[in-house]
Amino acid sequence: DARVTQTPRHKVTEMGQEVTMRCQPILGHNTVFWYRQTMMQGLELLAYFRNRAPLDDSGMPKDRFSAEMPDATLATLKIQPSEPRDSAVYFCASGLGRLNTEAFFGQGTRLTVV
Amino acid sequence: AQTVTQSQPEMSVQEAETVTLSCTYDTSESDYYLFWYKQPPSRQMILVIRQEAYKQQNATENRFSVNFQKAAKSFSLKISDSQLGDAAMYFCAYRRVIGPLVFGKGTRLSVIA
Repeated sequence: DARVTQTPRHKVTEMGQEVTMRCQPILGHNTVFWYRQTMMQGLELLAYFRNRAPLDDSGMPKDRFSAEMPDATLATLKIQPSEPRDSAVYFCASGLGRLNTEAFFGQGTRLTVV
Repeated sequence: AQTVTQSQPEMSVQEAETVTLSCTYDTSESDYYLFWYKQPPSRQMILVIRQEAYKQQNATENRFSVNFQKAAKSFSLKISDSQLGDAAMYFCAYRRVIGPLVFGKGTRLSVIA
C-alpha cells in the first residue's frame, strides 16, 4: 500500500531550537509539496519540488525555513530557530506531476513550539 | 494569483439527508482542475472528487457529486444520504494544469444522528 510517510507525527520543542521534519514520498513520484495548516490561515503552500529541484518556495519564510530533497526518497523541512508562531501541522504531499493526477498526502507532523 | 473561497465555515446535516457545500474560485486560466478533499479528525487528507475544467459533465463518486459552473467560477459539493462518517473538514482546492493545489479555508461538516 503506497503512501507518503512523514516523521515525526508529533513534535514539541522549545523556542529557538532547530526542528527537522522528514517526508518519504511515494516511490516513483517526482513532485513533492510542503504545506502548513493553521486555524487562521488554513493550508498554505510552503515549497514545491519537481525532480528534486525547488520550483516554488515563495510561501516559506526564508530567514528561518529551508526545504531540501537530498535524494528522490527523502524531503526535509527545517526550521532554525523555531518560534511559537511556527506551531502548526505540516503536511507533505507527493504526485507524478502529470496531467490529471492527484497529490497524495502524508499524515502530517503536528509541531508545537513552546 | 488564484484564490479559493469557501463561504461556509460550518455546516450541519441530519443523517440520511443531503447537504451542499459551496466553493468559488478566481482564475484567469481556461484549463485547470478542481478538487474536494475531506479531512477527518485523523488529519489525513482524503481526495473526495475531482473535476477537470474542460469537461462539462459534473463529476460524481457514489454519494458525492459536484455542480461545476465554469462561467460563474463555482464548484459546490453535494453529499447525498449523509452518514456519520462524513463528518469532517472539507476543503475545496484549485490546481493549474500542472502545479500545486491552492486550498480554501475549509467547511466543517457535522452530521446529526
